[in-house]
Amino acid sequence: KNEVEQSPQNLTAQEGEFITINCSYSVGISALHWLQQHPGGGIVSLFMLSSGKKKHGRLIATINIQEKHSSLHITASHPRDSAVYICAVKVTETSGSRLTFGEGTQLTVNP
Amino acid sequence: DTGVSQDPRHKITKRGQNVTFRCDPISEHNRLYWYRQTLGQGPEFLTYFQNEAQLEKSRLLSDRFSAERPKGSFSTLEIQRTEQGDSAMYLCASSIGRDIQYFGAGTRLSVL
Repeated sequence: KNEVEQSPQNLTAQEGEFITINCSYSVGISALHWLQQHPGGGIVSLFMLSSGKKKHGRLIATINIQEKHSSLHITASHPRDSAVYICAVKVTETSGSRLTFGEGTQLTVNP
Repeated sequence: DTGVSQDPRHKITKRGQNVTFRCDPISEHNRLYWYRQTLGQGPEFLTYFQNEAQLEKSRLLSDRFSAERPKGSFSTLEIQRTEQGDSAMYLCASSIGRDIQYFGAGTRLSVL
């Protein structure tokens, strides 16, 4: 079993829909990242959070440390949001700042 | 452009050849990370540096892999005697301490 599990693996939405991507982890963490990866490989860090909630534009990320769960929400989705969204955690037992990644959620937003 | 840059973007090589990739981090970032990503999977940690010191290496980093960051700025990742299983996207990221990591566009390696 992977230490970081994401759901769903694939998600197709219509433009304007509210989208939720979930991330569950089984280890103690010091921080959780949400990343966006477009075709061609480039990765953009969206959020780093260790508690509560963060918002940036149409993106909202929440984390529940007790339940070991995080969600990424996209409001008023747009075709340009189509990408792979990856959850990654910093495991507290490991040294340094290595990230352990989920397998990603492929999001397709149709016009 | 002051982001993380990686060179080359694509590399095609024959099995058994050596390859070297370069990563230039954001200039004031003291930490530099290498990750590997195979198709359809999330990235996997390979190694990281704090300044010029290589502080951690993954079990994925076999003896054929070596990474350096000689002056605490750019880093190189060398793969000797490449195998088809080495085909992947090699990603570099940098950060200030334990702050958010910024990723480069990656080097896609294809071993024929």
